[in-house]
Amino acid sequence: KAGVTQTPRYLIKTRGQQVTLSCSPISGHRSVSWYQQTPGQGLQFLFEYFSETQRNKGNFPGRFSGRQFSNSRSEMNVSTLELGDSALYLCASSLAPQGHSYEQYFGPGTRLTVT
Amino acid sequence: KNEVEQSPQNLTAQEGEFITINCSYSVGISALHWLQQHPGGGIVSLFMLSSGKKKHGRLIATINIQEKHSSLHITASHPRDSAVYICAVISGSGGGADGLTFGKGTHLIIQP
Repeated sequence: KAGVTQTPRYLIKTRGQQVTLSCSPISGHRSVSWYQQTPGQGLQFLFEYFSETQRNKGNFPGRFSGRQFSNSRSEMNVSTLELGDSALYLCASSLAPQGHSYEQYFGPGTRLTVT
Repeated sequence: KNEVEQSPQNLTAQEGEFITINCSYSVGISALHWLQQHPGGGIVSLFMLSSGKKKHGRLIATINIQEKHSSLHITASHPRDSAVYICAVISGSGGGADGLTFGKGTHLIIQP
């Protein structure tokens, strides 16, 4: 069974631009969660989608948004990029929503650099 | 909001040593995850626990719900175990509304 895939793997953007990252979950998984990892803050929860609905969202500004499609693939978008948005963005998929004690499977991440 | 503390932050040991990494959290949880992250960023889920103890190969994870504490043990450590180990929890209330809350990670180096 194929694992979680994320595209692109690396991305360089300029301040003020917007970016869209993609995540394809493991086949059959309907929950997709997104995380941001920076050297200073570590791993932080961005949001979770299940069956095309956002279930919950972490403490991030409205510039961070996402969506999930009917095939469970998910995208996250960051508008008006800031230097501090430079990070590794990870997605993880699971059979059921968080809180239901199902294991999460992580993708390789997208490394975003904002210049 | 759950606070997750890991110790130690950094650990260097010799091959073959028994390793223990600790994780404490402040609020009741529905599940605790132990994750492994190698250089380059990829994260692998090692264990998911809600009670008791789990073992997989040389890795053992335990959790004490009453004390809000979990430990990850590595027996007969090997240089390939060198990685960052991260503890993450799902708070018990709210059906996972806060998502995973992560510890800062333990950077483990096993020297030959």
